[in-house]
Amino acid sequence: QVQLVESGGGVVQPGRSLRLSCAASGFTFSNYGMHWVRQAPGKGLEWVAVIWYDGSNKYYADSVKGRFTISRDYSKNTLYLQMNSLRAEDTAVYYCAREARRDGYIRTIFDYWGQGTVVTVSS
Amino acid sequence: AIQLTQSPSSLSASVGDRVTITCRPSQGISSALAWYQQEPGKAPKLLIYDASSLDSGVPSRFSGSGSGTDFTLTISSLQPEDFATYYCQQFNNYPLTFGGGTKVEIK
Repeated sequence: QVQLVESGGGVVQPGRSLRLSCAASGFTFSNYGMHWVRQAPGKGLEWVAVIWYDGSNKYYADSVKGRFTISRDYSKNTLYLQMNSLRAEDTAVYYCAREARRDGYIRTIFDYWGQGTVVTVSS
Repeated sequence: AIQLTQSPSSLSASVGDRVTITCRPSQGISSALAWYQQEPGKAPKLLIYDASSLDSGVPSRFSGSGSGTDFTLTISSLQPEDFATYYCQQFNNYPLTFGGGTKVEIK
């Protein structure tokens, strides 16, 4: 069965860095685009970043562009999010999510999600 | 970025009620819209994709409709397990965006 397990969250001071990981299992990791989506406390969902199935393209939300970097390691079936210059407004639950294939086509929607990892940016 | 306006932001309903939630993109997105359900403390669950296609395993009381700039999620007969927050998401282009959410509460 598909499993996505995030780790790496914690409490960090503003301006510092953190790297999140998402261990994937139960599917062919190299066949799927992977995303990060976050949710601030009591707020809605915000898409953060995507990396295509082959790593050829990456896109970011404007709010994190230039500060966050998404990457993946096919040998470890793991997705990463390197977060630099963290701000208080980056405080959120961070989910990794798998892109869906429906009716034979890729849809940039999310059919499997991890349980989330909490990032708190505070002095 | 395409903005998605969801309404209402919250509603109170009883078991058995018909519930309708709307999602209006700031520009046309054809049928590139999905709906998710999120229970407190849990990850979202995909309900509908391509505006009206029911995802596998989702009860048939859920349905979606619309295209362009006007979309609707309908729950035909609200069940106790349906009390949750619902989000629309557009996948017409990047950046991907979500609506602000609709919290469905027990009346």
